[in-house]
Amino acid sequence: EAQVTQNPRYLITVTGKKLTVTCSQNMNHEYMSWYRQDPGLGLRQIYYSMNVEVTDKGDVPEGYKVSRKEKRNFPLILESPSPNQTSLYFCASSPAWAQVNQPQHFGDGTRLSIL
Amino acid sequence: GDSVTQMEGPVTLSEEAFLTINCTYTATGYPSLFWYVQYPGEGLQLLLKATKADDKGSNKGFEATYRKETTSFHLEKGSVQVSDSAVYFCALSENDMRFGAGTRLTVKP
Repeated sequence: EAQVTQNPRYLITVTGKKLTVTCSQNMNHEYMSWYRQDPGLGLRQIYYSMNVEVTDKGDVPEGYKVSRKEKRNFPLILESPSPNQTSLYFCASSPAWAQVNQPQHFGDGTRLSIL
Repeated sequence: GDSVTQMEGPVTLSEEAFLTINCTYTATGYPSLFWYVQYPGEGLQLLLKATKADDKGSNKGFEATYRKETTSFHLEKGSVQVSDSAVYFCALSENDMRFGAGTRLTVKP
């Protein structure tokens, strides 16, 4: 089954404790991205990657890091989480960014609470 | 830059009522337009899309027409069901993907 898998689905942690949210897709997609969803703000893009070893900032990259060492994986790293990063996070992928009419496939989300 | 504005919710309707969720966009060129749906506890799923002016996207009884003259892509359904209760996002794709803020729909029996 074609899917985007995120882990963990839920995490409660404390300020400053490094954490990683994993994202994996099994569709051989070139393009992957991370979003955060906050009430009244919709989805805002954090980082995206057009292919292996190619990453770029989205609209709200501060406080986050990503890497794309393999095509299927795109982890999101919070080196020193703060309470304002409490949010619902989604990973998404699509075949290739050049094909702008291709929809994105989303994971089920990761709810992070930073105390 | 590109942006999407959709009507604020929440929207509450009775079963079999007519649904319209308004969406307008700002773009420099000719974006593709999408509606995504998010059911509780899940990620976004593509509902329908349109890639050029006057295209109509449709799926599961929902429709939306790409109107370049009014820069709109309103979502409609003639008769909603309880199972349509979800959050709906309008989105455009041009230089990057932009999402609206989302509209929560609740359908009561």
